[in-house]
Amino acid sequence: DAGVTQSPTHLIKTRGQQVTLRCSPKSGHDTVSWYQQALGQGPQFIFQYYEEEERQRGNFPDRFSGHQFPNYSSELNVNALLLGDSALYLCASSLLIAGGSYNEQFFGPGTRLTVL
Amino acid sequence: AQSVTQLDSHVSVSEGTPVLLRCNYSSSYSPSLFWYVQHPNKGLQLLLKYTSAATLVKGINGFEAEFKKSETSFHLTKPSAHMSDAAEYFCVVTPRSTNAGKSTFGDGTTLTVKP
Repeated sequence: DAGVTQSPTHLIKTRGQQVTLRCSPKSGHDTVSWYQQALGQGPQFIFQYYEEEERQRGNFPDRFSGHQFPNYSSELNVNALLLGDSALYLCASSLLIAGGSYNEQFFGPGTRLTVL
Repeated sequence: AQSVTQLDSHVSVSEGTPVLLRCNYSSSYSPSLFWYVQHPNKGLQLLLKYTSAATLVKGINGFEAEFKKSETSFHLTKPSAHMSDAAEYFCVVTPRSTNAGKSTFGDGTTLTVKP
């Protein structure tokens, strides 16, 4: 089991550009969540996808959007990049279990995005 | 609404001495609580979780945490620190309800272990 994988590992962009980050969940998981971790801070929840729909969203602008594919993999898109978008972007996968609650999340190694 | 407060941003201990990392939470729902560890340039690894069973939870690498509802706390402890425990630790709360999953992280506690 490869666990949660993310690509690319590192990315450098300039202000105003657009970026797409990719995530493959752990085998058997159906839910993908994305987090932004700025330097020296805890991860902040961006949004969560289940059954190819955005189910939960944190306090992030519409410049942040996502997608989930039928194979449960996911993309995070950020438009009109700002310097403040520089961060480690983490993907986490989990499994929706009986009763509607979620088991623990497994995190990928992250994508380090630098905006110049 | 939910929030997490990690009471110490930095904790320094000597190798072989006990570790205590403090976490208080608030949640409108019955919470699930987690502790994760993040080593430099590594992903987040789950140490342990509380999901409404036993209030004393044992995790990996000798860590354990006790859920105290009356104190809204979920402190992480380890009897004897090892050099390899030096890392960033995050306390996390997630509502244990339908459509749950939105996790809230604390700001983290940096654990330093001195030889």
